[in-house]
Formats: sequence, C-alpha cells, structure tokens
Amino acid sequence: AQSVTQLDSHVSVSEGTPVLLRCNYSSSYSPSLFWYVQHPNKGLQLLLKYTSAATLVKGINGFEAEFKKSETSFHLTKPSAHMSDAAEYFCVVTPRSNNNDMRFGAGTRLTVKP
Amino acid sequence: DAGVTQSPTHLIKTRGQQVTLRCSPISGHKSVSWYQQVLGQGPQFIFQYYEKEERGRGNFPDRFSARQFPNYSSELNVNALLLGDSALYLCASSLSDRDRGLSGSGNTIYFGEGSWLTVV
Repeated sequence: AQSVTQLDSHVSVSEGTPVLLRCNYSSSYSPSLFWYVQHPNKGLQLLLKYTSAATLVKGINGFEAEFKKSETSFHLTKPSAHMSDAAEYFCVVTPRSNNNDMRFGAGTRLTVKP
Repeated sequence: DAGVTQSPTHLIKTRGQQVTLRCSPISGHKSVSWYQQVLGQGPQFIFQYYEKEERGRGNFPDRFSARQFPNYSSELNVNALLLGDSALYLCASSLSDRDRGLSGSGNTIYFGEGSWLTVV
C-alpha cells in the first residue's frame, strides 16, 4: 500500500521568500512521486515528477523537489515565491507499475503575502 | 490540441437521483481515470479504464460505475445519490495504463477541470 502525508495544511510566505512544502511518503513498492498544483476553480496541473531517474527533480515555474529515500520524503521547494504561486498543492504517490492509481495527500494551501 | 474535457461543468441533483458525467481524453490517450475530490480534501481514485477494460477500482460503493467507449471517451455514473456525493469529479487521461519503465519519462497523467456535482 502507498500513501503520502503532507505535513502542513497551510503555509504562508511573503513574496520573494523561499517556499517549502513538506511531503512524506509510505510505499511498499518503488514509488513514483508527483507534485500537482490546483488553482481555484481550475484543474490539476503537474509541477514535477520523480520516476527513478535523478533524485533532484526540477519542474515548472521554478519549483523543484528532492527524493530522499532514507527520509521517505519528497519536499517541494522554490527559492522565491511569486503572488501567482498562491494555490493548493498536492503530493501524490503511485506504484511504479501503474501511474494511474494515484494516492493524493490532503493538500497544502500556499498563501503568498505582498 | 485540446486537453481533457469534461461535461457538464456544474450540476445540481436531488438525493436519490442518478447522474452521468462525461470525459473526453486527450487525442491518442487510451487510459482514463476518475477521481472524486470532496471540498477541502485531496482527490480520491475511483476507477481506471484502459482499452475499454476496467484496470483499477478505488474504495467506492457499487453505486459508482463507469465505462469507456471505442473512441476512449468515458462516462461515470452514480446512482441513488447521497448528500456526501457532492464533490468535484475529475477525469484524467494518459497514453498508457502503466509507467514506461526506467526511462524516467514516466506516463504523464493530465487532468480535466472537473465536474462540480451538488446533491441537495
């Protein structure tokens, strides 16, 4: 079985400061891990994914995440927050054998203050 | 190219009624999955279909059913609606039902904007 825990339900940062959204995973298999973003009244957009290649994954809009097997973590970071980054972020785990069976975390709401 | 399209975008139903939600995948995609997202929570996996066959099912009651058509579009049906069925229903499509292996490219899954269902 696999699952993810997003450690913060809400994160608030000031514009221009770093962003850290934390995610721990549990998986019986070698996992694939993803971060998705959901803006209000919009669908889910893929930010980045880890599928057994490089452990440091770079995504869109300046986001990146590092897969740390020893810590079972896949935290999302960005050096400098923009107002447009305000949204709900979901960490997702799937078994490597079937990416379609996605297990979402509960989400972290990111607020960016001017 | 059009992304994943879903219809209707919003609908209101009464308890006990039945609803059908529709999804058209990205052209060339053969796999369609359905997710339920209750307000304030992450999406939960309901079904996956590939080449018109059910390939995965989440922990949902038999009131939920789905099918995939020869053109790879899909319908999600929910019978005997309950208030708790009120949610955003998301459809996702991908090329394959499985990861592409060790290439690292993976099997990217694309989501539609969803159908908002309110049960009153």
